[in-house]
Parts: sequence; C-alpha cells; structure tokens
Amino acid sequence: GDSVTQMEGPVTLSEEAFLTINCTYTATGYPSLFWYVQYPGEGLQLLLKATKADDKGSNKGFEATYRKETTSFHLEKGSVQVSDSAVYFCALPGGAQKLVFGQGTRLTINP
Amino acid sequence: DTEVTQTPKHLVMGMTNKKSLKCEQHMGHRAMYWYKQKAKKPPELMFVYSYEKLSINESVPSRFSPECPNSSLLNLHLHALQPEDSALYLCASSQNPSGRGDEQFFGPGTRLTVL
Repeated sequence: GDSVTQMEGPVTLSEEAFLTINCTYTATGYPSLFWYVQYPGEGLQLLLKATKADDKGSNKGFEATYRKETTSFHLEKGSVQVSDSAVYFCALPGGAQKLVFGQGTRLTINP
Repeated sequence: DTEVTQTPKHLVMGMTNKKSLKCEQHMGHRAMYWYKQKAKKPPELMFVYSYEKLSINESVPSRFSPECPNSSLLNLHLHALQPEDSALYLCASSQNPSGRGDEQFFGPGTRLTVL
C-alpha cells in the first residue's frame, strides 16, 4: 500500500539556520503530495502542496519539490525562525478520501 | 470563510458521561472527516462522510457515534468512553469526496480527557 517515510527527529536548530526535513514515499501512480504543519496546541494546517512531478510547492519561505525519480518531497527553508517551531507531517492521498501521513518531525528553533 | 471550527476546545468527561463534539465548515465542502490524534503521533482516520452519508468507518468502537445533520455540520457523539480514548479529536473537510488529490482542511481540534 501507499506509505510515507519521514525523517523522525526531533530536530533542533538555531535561528537563521538552513532546514531540511526528508520525506520519501511509496505510491501507485503520481499522487499529490502535501506538507502539513501543526503548531503547539493547534490542528493541522496545509503548508504547501505539489500535484505533479517536478512541481515546486512554496509557502511562508518553505519549499518542496516533487521528485518522481527519487520518490521524494523534502521540505526546505533557507532561514528558520523561532516561530517555525512545530511538528511537520508529509502526506499523500492513500486512496479515495484517505490521507497517509508520515510519522511527523518535531522542529525546535532556538533563538 | 475558509476555516473549520470545532467546539468545545477542551472536554473532560467521566466514563459514564455522554457528550458530543461539534464541527462546522462553510466552504461548501462535501466531504468531512473525524480523526483521532495521540501525543507525538500523526492523526488516525476514524470516519468519513461524503455528501452527508457515512462512507468510511475505520472499525471504530461503537462508543463513538458520528452524525452529519447537514452539509456544514459534523458531530461526534461520545458515550461510555475509556481513559485510553483521551486524545486530540480533529475534524477536517475537503471539497470533492471523489477527488483523490484534494487537500483536507483541519479544525483546531478538541482536547478530550476521559477520567
């Protein structure tokens, strides 16, 4: 079945550091890919998405490129802020109406 | 209006109580979802409603009873819960029930504690 493998963490960085959170997937065909973010005490928010190979999703300084050759969708940000501290989930549609999530990566940014 | 709202934000209940969680969206979405999320884990799908009809039940115990009164509202009725049911309950919606690529929009969740 479809699955997502995500860098587990936790990840701790200093402010203004470069961030990469790895995500690889196994899926039938070429599904849309998503990154969701969950800030402390809140629900999930869609951070960015890509709907086909080579698409780049971007939002709030974060980027991820849909790479079908490596079945990856790594999340990157050039300069992180304390406010980026959250849990990040990579996800894909696992069938009609279902989302398959990675295990989540907890990110802490220190000032 | 591009948000999903949930009430209450927090709920504490005993094992003999009956309570309900409520979810509302006004985006015209025709699919709505209930998820359960334990600490440090991703959300786990519980139920899916498509066009106000239950389309997926992920083998959830009968002490959880979903209801979709109309296309904007989703309820989760709780009865005789166990302490291990304590979790964050998330509601979500998406535009098209048959749209495999559609993103889901999540509410802020209800933090449930069962004593």
